[in-house]
Amino acid sequence: EVQLVESGGGLVQPGRSLRLSCAASGFTFDEHAMHWVRQAPGKGLEWVSGISWNSGSVDYADSVRGRFTISRDNAKSSLYLQMDSLRAEDTALYYCAKDKATVIIVPDYWGQGTLVTVSS
Amino acid sequence: DIVLTQTPLSSPVTLGQPASISCRSSQSLLHSDGNTYLSWLQQRPGQPPRLLIYKISNRFSGVPDRFSGSGAGTDFTLKISRVEAEDVGVYYCMQATQFPLTFGGGTKVEIK
Repeated sequence: EVQLVESGGGLVQPGRSLRLSCAASGFTFDEHAMHWVRQAPGKGLEWVSGISWNSGSVDYADSVRGRFTISRDNAKSSLYLQMDSLRAEDTALYYCAKDKATVIIVPDYWGQGTLVTVSS
Repeated sequence: DIVLTQTPLSSPVTLGQPASISCRSSQSLLHSDGNTYLSWLQQRPGQPPRLLIYKISNRFSGVPDRFSGSGAGTDFTLKISRVEAEDVGVYYCMQATQFPLTFGGGTKVEIK
């Protein structure tokens, strides 16, 4: 059974940093691209970032480019999101999602999410 | 960025009746590799999203056959042949033809 467990969320002041982690199990991690997708309270889904199986291809939403960095450790079956210069508008539930393929095609399994609140 | 526009915003449906959701893209979703990376996801209340359909019409593992997808180019449709109580939630289309990936605004399916 595919399991994705996010951690690292919490309350943080504007301008500060936070690092999210996603522990994956139940599938061969290094054979799949991975994603971070967020959902602000009461709002729709926003893709944040994606990374291919070997980290050779990464991309970001314009809203986070230059502030967020996605990475993965295939040896640890883990995905990360380093979030710097956080803003109030980054407040959201952050989901880790597995892709169907080695490259970015479509997220097929999702974690339960970790909540990030940016507020002074 | 590619903009996906979903209609309707809300769809009250009688149990056992069909439902249809439209997703229109601001540009063609046909990729240079010949695939069209348009997917549909369901988000039940309080739950993470769940993949229903990928590449226009391919049903994901475990998805009931009352869900079907169709379309091409810029116009796509998700159909539920007979709505059941468990189908209540918000439905999103999503494109991965061009970075960044984008989602439609969502369509809320509720029971009349």
